[in-house]
Amino acid sequence: NAGVTQTPKFRVLKTGQSMTLLCAQDMNHEYMYWYRQDPGMGLRLIHYSVGEGTTAKGEVPDGYNVSRLKKQNFLLGLESAAPSQTSVYFCASDGRRGSEAFFGQGTRLTVV
Amino acid sequence: ELKVEQNPLFLSMQEGKNYTIYCNYSTTSDRLYWYRQDPGKSLESLFVLLSNGAVKQEGRLMASLDTKARLSTLHITAAVHDLSATYFCAVTSNFGNEKLTFGTGTRLTIIP
Repeated sequence: NAGVTQTPKFRVLKTGQSMTLLCAQDMNHEYMYWYRQDPGMGLRLIHYSVGEGTTAKGEVPDGYNVSRLKKQNFLLGLESAAPSQTSVYFCASDGRRGSEAFFGQGTRLTVV
Repeated sequence: ELKVEQNPLFLSMQEGKNYTIYCNYSTTSDRLYWYRQDPGKSLESLFVLLSNGAVKQEGRLMASLDTKARLSTLHITAAVHDLSATYFCAVTSNFGNEKLTFGTGTRLTIIP
């Protein structure tokens, strides 16, 4: 089983460039999340989705946009990258009904 | 807004000793998760706790949930080096859109 797959795994951007991170899950989960992890900060929720076509802001949404056009995919966009967005990004999906959230392998993004 | 606090943030233990990590949360919830993260890796699910009084054990780790006190504990028995990692608890609220909120993490180092 693939589980949760993030693309790409690594990326270096110049300030002002844009990019999209893709998260794909094959577990038919309703909930999907994007987190960022910085040293000493734990995981902070950027945006999340409770089903196809829905999105909601998390704790640190500024500078990011998301879309959930298909149930299995959750896209995270950076329109104009800033050095403060240098981080490791994790996607997760959650089917509820007593199961845990499953995480992708992470995307290490550096903005120079 | 749901707040999740863990303590301690850092913990150095000698092999063979016992210790407990605490996770407090600020709103009504009957769904709590524990995750483990090794350096440079993604998050691995350890336990899912879904009701008051739930207790789960796996090897040298045991997790419990007290929903009335809004407290979960992760107990480590006779620590071994392989348990060195960062441990996170995560909670979903019983109200609203139930986004998954993480604690700040506890970095555990087992010293020979």
